[in-house]
Amino acid sequence: DAGVTQSPTHLIKTRGQQVTLRCSPKSGHDTVSWYQQALGQGPQFIFQYYEEEERQRGNFPDRFSGHQFPNYSSELNVNALLLGDSALYLCASRATGKMGDEQFFGPGTRLTVL
Amino acid sequence: SQQGEEDPQALSIQEGENATMNCSYKTSINNLQWYRQNSGRGLVHLILIRSNEREKHSGRLRVTLDTSKKSSSLLITASRAADTASYFCATDAADSSYKLIFGSGTRLLVRP
Repeated sequence: DAGVTQSPTHLIKTRGQQVTLRCSPKSGHDTVSWYQQALGQGPQFIFQYYEEEERQRGNFPDRFSGHQFPNYSSELNVNALLLGDSALYLCASRATGKMGDEQFFGPGTRLTVL
Repeated sequence: SQQGEEDPQALSIQEGENATMNCSYKTSINNLQWYRQNSGRGLVHLILIRSNEREKHSGRLRVTLDTSKKSSSLLITASRAADTASYFCATDAADSSYKLIFGSGTRLLVRP
C-alpha cells in the first residue's frame, strides 16, 4: 500500500518563475492538504482540496493555487516566485468522513528560489 | 500563526534515557497528533489522541492530553540514537476547519 508520494524531490527556480508541485494521496484517501515549512519552523497550512474543490485556505496570497484531479491527486502552483517561497512543501492526505483521523504526509518537495 | 508551542525547543539526552516533550495549544480541538521529522524530510505520523482521551500508548511512546490546560506531552522511553529528530505536535481544531496547526517543534538529540 503506497503512502503519500510527491514529485519532484528537489527543485531550483529563479525569482519571477512559476512552479508546479505534484502529490498523490495514500490509497483510500480523498482529501489532500498542502503545507509550507520554512527552515526551522513548523509546517504552515496553505489549502485543502476535496471533491476537486478548495475547501479551506490558509493565510497565503493568490500566487498560491491548486488543483485536485478526479483520481484525488493534486497540484500546487506558485506564480511569480519570491526568495521567501524557498521552503519544504509538504502534501498530506486523509479520508474525509472520518473526522479526526490521521493525516499522513509525503516526503516533501524542497523548493529553492534564487 | 502557530497554534501550538513545543517545550523545550531543544533537548539533548543520553541513549537509554527518557525524553519528554510538551505542547500547548490555544483553541478547542478534535484531536492532537504527534509527528517526527528527520533532517528536514517528510513528517512521520507517530500517534493521534482524541479530545476525549487522556492517555495513549504506542510502543515506547506515551502521549497524554489535558484539555483543561490545553496541553499535551510526548514521552519516549529508553531512547535510541535513531530517535534523534524534530518532533511536532499538530492540532485538528474543533471548528471543522479541516486543517492541522503545528507548533514550532522540539529538536531531540540522543547521544550514543
